[in-house]
Amino acid sequence: GEDVEQSLFLSVREGDSSVINCTYTDSSSTYLYWYKQEPGAGLQLLTYIFSNMDMKQDQRLTVLLNKKDKHLSLRIADTQTGDSAIYFCAERDNFNKFYFGSGTKLNVKP
Amino acid sequence: SQTIHQWPATLVQPVGSPLSLECTVEGTSNPNLYWYRQAAGRGLQLLFYSVGIGQISSEVPQNLSASRPQDRQFILSSKKLLLSDSGFYLCAWIGFNYGYTFGSGTRLTVV
Repeated sequence: GEDVEQSLFLSVREGDSSVINCTYTDSSSTYLYWYKQEPGAGLQLLTYIFSNMDMKQDQRLTVLLNKKDKHLSLRIADTQTGDSAIYFCAERDNFNKFYFGSGTKLNVKP
Repeated sequence: SQTIHQWPATLVQPVGSPLSLECTVEGTSNPNLYWYRQAAGRGLQLLFYSVGIGQISSEVPQNLSASRPQDRQFILSSKKLLLSDSGFYLCAWIGFNYGYTFGSGTRLTVV
């Protein structure tokens, strides 16, 4: 399968911005996704971006895609304690297969 | 609206016992369905996917099997559980904006 890599941990203070990074290897990716997993729960789709877009903004979330470097990031503005969770990056290829990163655990300190 | 249900939420089973986890989808027809496993502190591993009744594709060789007896039902099974089968099992279907919609998961602990 394709490699999708994320850093394992990120710690920020409440009110700061969080930036979670992801790199992938499949240049034929059609969509890229960010999912949020709260403790003991399933994954919740946060946002997605088409591979022909560079940026997508949705309220406090900003997704940036650098296709040349195969780098995806998720910026959370004004991070709240309720944003503490594991965030997964995922890519979908032309064959409708998804590849997930190992997740970044975001810890928001009050 | 489309919803996905998984049960049970938690399960503790002895080694060597059988397993049956069920997933059902409502509000859609002929969905693509998926079983994932998430080991503790790790990412998701695709186990099985199904594009229709009776059609199962396996991604990794393992002690588990899957079946799709009805259009909106997907079952994960094992005849004899191993300790290594412990994990968090997630059912998913491709729905909104072609992204996965996940069930709430089943926490399986094999003792």
